[in-house]
Amino acid sequence: DGGITQSPKYLFRKEGQNVTLSCEQNLNHDAMYWYRQDPGQGLRLIYYSQIVNDFQKGDIAEGYSVSREKKESFPLTVTSAQKNPTAFYLCASSIGTGGATEAFFGQGTRLTVV
Amino acid sequence: AQSVAQPEDQVNVAEGNPLTVKCTYSVSGNPYLFWYVQYPNRGLQFLLKYITGDNLVKGSYGFEAEFNKSQTSFHLKKPSALVSDSALYFCAVRDSYSSASKIIFGSGTRLSIRP
Repeated sequence: DGGITQSPKYLFRKEGQNVTLSCEQNLNHDAMYWYRQDPGQGLRLIYYSQIVNDFQKGDIAEGYSVSREKKESFPLTVTSAQKNPTAFYLCASSIGTGGATEAFFGQGTRLTVV
Repeated sequence: AQSVAQPEDQVNVAEGNPLTVKCTYSVSGNPYLFWYVQYPNRGLQFLLKYITGDNLVKGSYGFEAEFNKSQTSFHLKKPSALVSDSALYFCAVRDSYSSASKIIFGSGTRLSIRP
């Protein structure tokens, strides 16, 4: 069954702790993305990767880090430098990076600071 | 600069009535336009897209969208609403001159269909 798998579905972080969100796809897509969703603010791009071993910052990259060691995987680390990490995080992928290409999304991870 | 606006936070429609969810955009070049739907605590599902050609685009679940270049709009429509259409809808735009990363999402419109 093809798709994008995000785990865990719910994640709780203590103050000052780093946490890593997993994103795996078996669609053979080249491009992968991480978005943050806050109520009433739509989706904001954190990082994106167009190819293995390469990634670029999006609009709100501060306090986050990523890696792209395999085509299928694009994990996101929320570091202690991210002052307001509580949000819904969405991973997406697309076949390429052409303008007309739609993105496919995972089911999301809800991160809460406790 | 690119931007997309969804002027209505919420749209309420009776089941069986037609529905419209509004979207306007601003880009430098030609727009690529997308509609997505999101159910509670789930990811976004792709509904339809406009690239070029026919201004009326048909998509999943009976939805369609009309591209209007002069009004810079891309409104989502459905002739007869279902209760199961109740969800959060996002319009998105990408400028033809921009890389794939620069897809901009609207703030979302919550569609509520009453029985």
